[in-house]
Parts: sequence; structure tokens; C-alpha cells
Amino acid sequence: SQTIHQWPATLVQPVGSPLSLECTVEGTSNPNLYWYRQAAGRGLQLLFYSVGIGQISSEVPQNLSASRPQDRQFILSSKKLLLSDSGFYLCAWRTGGTFSGNTIYFGEGSWLTVV
Amino acid sequence: GQQVMQIPQYQHVQEGEDFTTYCNSSTTLSNIQWYKQRPGGHPVFLIQLVKSGEVKKQKRLTFQFGEAKKNSSLHITATQTTDVGTYFCAGILNPNAGKSTFGDGTTLTVKP
Repeated sequence: SQTIHQWPATLVQPVGSPLSLECTVEGTSNPNLYWYRQAAGRGLQLLFYSVGIGQISSEVPQNLSASRPQDRQFILSSKKLLLSDSGFYLCAWRTGGTFSGNTIYFGEGSWLTVV
Repeated sequence: GQQVMQIPQYQHVQEGEDFTTYCNSSTTLSNIQWYKQRPGGHPVFLIQLVKSGEVKKQKRLTFQFGEAKKNSSLHITATQTTDVGTYFCAGILNPNAGKSTFGDGTTLTVKP
């Protein structure tokens, strides 16, 4: 069966520090991968998605970046965090290919607090 | 760009009362999905609707997709405390585009 792992689960980072959140998917190949952000009590904002290795689409201009160095690995990074980057970050995957109709499976999420 | 609006943002009900959340898209959708996020948890898939006018039921939950495929609703009959959480709809405009657009969610609280 497929599983998705996301870490770290929680982190507190000072303003201006770098960020790296990592996500891996097991049990499937060539998945579509996604990074979402959820501010406290708010909806899901799509940040990045990837349909293949090295292919990253950015949805919102910001100081975050994403990379997909391997088929089932998705990394969210920042060189310098802002206070507004605080939130709940969710990695997600769905069956690969361009068809969007398949279920999205979310990781457990990472709570980021920038202080 | 595509927008998916969801109302209400919050709903407080007494246990046993019914609950409905509505999802409206600015454009015709290919299909729509519904997810539930428990407090402190991550969204979990509930159901997908594909056909115009489609109605699906899961126990006390009834999902509808509008005839024009631009709106959808989730209705819960006789809410229970286990129904608390945030319900999201996710609209898919282009099935070949690789992404969905989520509504902002409706957060349901149930008073026992």
C-alpha cells in the first residue's frame, strides 16, 4: 500500500533562518506531488506541484521554493523565513499522470512557527 | 483564475441537527471531491462526484453535484460529535492539468 511521510512534524524557526521540509511517498511511482499551506483556521493554499522529477510549478510567488530530486521525494525550502511563513504545511500526492480526478492523499503535516 | 467558494465558513450546531455546506465554482468543473479534516489532523478524502446532477450517500452524509457542474453540497443528517472538523471541497477544472482548487472549507462544531 502507499504511504506518505513528511517531516519534521513541528518546528520553531527564527525570522531569517532557512527552512527545509521533506516529503517522501512509498508504494507508488511517478506520483503527482503537492505542497499546500494552511494558515491557522484557514483553507488550503496550493504552493507548488510537480508532475515529474525536476518539474515544479509554482502557484504563489513567495520566498519559498520546491524541488523534486527523486521520483518520490519532494522538498520545500526557504533561504530566509518571514513571520508570514508560519502555518501548517501539507505534502500530498495523487496517482501520476496528468489526470486530476484521483484522490489526493495528504501527509500528517508540519507545523511551522516563525518567531 | 479558477475560484472555488465555500460557505458558510463556520457552522455551530446542536447534536442531532442537520448541517449543510455549499461549494460554488466560477467555472464549470470536470469533477469535484470532498475532504474532511479533523482538528489537528490532515485532510482525508471522502468522495468524488463526476456526473452532472450526481448524488451520492455515505451513511448520514449526502453529496450533490449541480446540473451545471458549477456547484456542490454536502449535507449531514442528525450530526454527531464525531462529525466535527473542517469540510473542504476541491474542484477540478481541467482533468489534464494535474491540480485541484480547494475551497476555504467549512468548520463544523457540534454541541453535545
